[in-house]
Amino acid sequence: DIHMTQSPSTLSASVGDRVTITCRASQSIISWLAWYQQKPGKAPKLLIYQASNLESGVASRFSGSGSGTEFTLTISSLQSDDFATYYCQQYNGYWTFGQGTKVEIK
Amino acid sequence: QMTLKESGPTLVEPTQTLTLTCTFSGFSLSTDKVGVGWVRQPPGKALEWLALIYWDGDKRYSPSLKNRLTITKDTSRSQVVLTMTNMDPVDTATYFCARVSMGIKGFDYWGPGTLVTVSS
Repeated sequence: DIHMTQSPSTLSASVGDRVTITCRASQSIISWLAWYQQKPGKAPKLLIYQASNLESGVASRFSGSGSGTEFTLTISSLQSDDFATYYCQQYNGYWTFGQGTKVEIK
Repeated sequence: QMTLKESGPTLVEPTQTLTLTCTFSGFSLSTDKVGVGWVRQPPGKALEWLALIYWDGDKRYSPSLKNRLTITKDTSRSQVVLTMTNMDPVDTATYFCARVSMGIKGFDYWGPGTLVTVSS
């Protein structure tokens, strides 16, 4: 099974900050990596697919990069609406999620 | 407009079998190259993928839970059904159904989720 490790688990930041979240896969997943944003009591929302493709309707301040085993999600200028938990997800015939990164107000 | 919605019991007793239904609209699970899957989330914890069925009937299961899961589809009713046997209190979670597009391998549309509590 492929294991996904996100870091950090919690991130304290201020509005306007540049934020980076890392996701590492236990083996190569090429570019089959997606990122989601989840707010309390809500379903996850797809932000990025295939590591670096922005889902339609998602703000351009979100970007993704990486391939193989190491991936990053960057928020270029954190907005108040961005305080949430972020998950990475891999696909290699099966799906696995990371443990999540909570972005909280500093 | 793509929509999905989960339905099923909110309370299940230990050892019982859980049956959840995902009713969707806005796409076809017989002609569109998509899949519908299930993801769960225990209170305060991370997302966990459970199972998925593709438009062509191919089924995938989480290796850790495959012995307890069955996923089926009824294309005429636009429904996907998940059954999970031998429920335990640790299976208490919000269960989501979601659509996967073949091109992206990500879950692009989600239902609102349904909380299932396992307790006697």
